[in-house]
Amino acid sequence: RKEVEQDPGPFNVPEGATVAFNCTYSNSASQSFFWYRQDCRKEPKLLMSVYSSGNEDGRFTAQLNRASQYISLLIRDSKLSDSATYLCVVWTGNQFYFGTGTSLTVIP
Amino acid sequence: ETGVTQTPRHLVMGMTNKKSLKCEQHLGHNAMYWYKQSAKKPLELMFVYNFKEQTENNSVPSRFSPECPNSSHLFLHLHTLQPEDSALYLCASSQYNYGYTFGSGTRLTVV
Repeated sequence: RKEVEQDPGPFNVPEGATVAFNCTYSNSASQSFFWYRQDCRKEPKLLMSVYSSGNEDGRFTAQLNRASQYISLLIRDSKLSDSATYLCVVWTGNQFYFGTGTSLTVIP
Repeated sequence: ETGVTQTPRHLVMGMTNKKSLKCEQHLGHNAMYWYKQSAKKPLELMFVYNFKEQTENNSVPSRFSPECPNSSHLFLHLHTLQPEDSALYLCASSQYNYGYTFGSGTRLTVV
C-alpha cells in the first residue's frame, strides 16, 4: 500500500465552482500534512499546511481527519488560475511522502 | 540569494557525455533530495541526504551518481544516459518537518 494516495483526476470544473480533493495516508503516526501546487512544467510550491483544527486561506480550506487518516482541500469560487496539479504531502517523523497529485482544470 | 537554486536550467546531452547538475540551498536546511519527473508523471524520489549522509537511494541506476559535499550543496553526476532519462530533475531541501522547498529544476534532454 502506498504511503499517500490521491485520486489523480482530472477534475474539470467551471469557473466559480467549488471543488474538493481528498488524500489518504497509511501511517497513523504521521505528524504533519501539507498541500502543494504544481503548475505545468514548474516545481511544486507550498500552498498551505494542514492543521488539526482545519485552516482556511482565502478561498482554500484544508481539513485533517486523523481517525480516518485523510486530508482534504476545498477550493471555493474556482478561478482559471487555480488550474494546476495539487499534491498532498505527509511527514511521518522520518520522511516526507508525496501523493501523485490531482489534476484540476478550471474551464471558462 | 535565497531558496533553492539549481543549475543549469536546461541541458541537452548526448548519450556518451558526462555532465553534472548542481543544487544549492541557502535556507540552512539539513536534508536535500533529488527527484525525477517525466512528462505528465508524478514525482519520483531518487536520493535523500540528511546532514550530507545519503539515507535513501530509490533503486536508481548507477549512471546517476549523487554527491553531497556539505549540507548546502548537492550534485547529480550523469554519464551514459539513455533517451528515457529525459525529464525534469528537481532538487529540494527541508528542515525536519517543515520548509520543504523545491528548486526550479533542470530540464534534461538526452539525444
